[in-house]
Amino acid sequence: AQSVTQPDIHITVSEGASLELRCNYSYGATPYLFWYVQSPGQGLQLLLKYFSGDTLVQGIKGFEAEFKRSQSSFNLRKPSVHWSDAAEYFCAVGEGRGSTLGRLYFGRGTQLTVWP
Amino acid sequence: DGGITQSPKYLFRKEGQNVTLSCEQNLNHDAMYWYRQDPGQGLRLIYYSQIVNDFQKGDIAEGYSVSREKKESFPLTVTSAQKNPTAFYLCASSIAGGTLNTEAFFGQGTRLTVV
Repeated sequence: AQSVTQPDIHITVSEGASLELRCNYSYGATPYLFWYVQSPGQGLQLLLKYFSGDTLVQGIKGFEAEFKRSQSSFNLRKPSVHWSDAAEYFCAVGEGRGSTLGRLYFGRGTQLTVWP
Repeated sequence: DGGITQSPKYLFRKEGQNVTLSCEQNLNHDAMYWYRQDPGQGLRLIYYSQIVNDFQKGDIAEGYSVSREKKESFPLTVTSAQKNPTAFYLCASSIAGGTLNTEAFFGQGTRLTVV
């Protein structure tokens, strides 16, 4: 069965420090991978996505993620965190149905706190 | 502006009552989804619809019902059979046909509280 694991429930970093949020997935076919961010009481905003090609994906707000098939991972990184990055981050894997993207499976999320 | 509108933002319900959450999109997307979010649980899929007049159960459909009479609308009814309905509900939509390189767009959510 498809599943997504985010091992870190809560991460705290200082402003200006680098960040890596971990994501591991279990999926039998080619994975379609996403990172979303959620501010309190809000919906989810897409940070970046991977479908094929270059395994290093650039997203919005200075985030990037690297797809490693051998490790079944899609970790999110940012070289220098800003206080406004404090939020909850969700990794998701999309189910491919032929030429159509089907439902998404989400991890439980990682809450990021940024110290000034 | 194109997007997904969920209403109301906050909803209070007495135990034993049914309540309907609204989700409307003007993105011309075929697929629509309802997720439930609880602290520490991530997002769990309730129902989804790939086309008008058709929908499928997700992982936690018990106590919920949906309809998809129009492409733009996918209302969710939380029935009295749902044992623990207090949660944050998120609606999403995506392009359904012919492309894998797409994404789900989310509404701003409805927080339902049973009192």
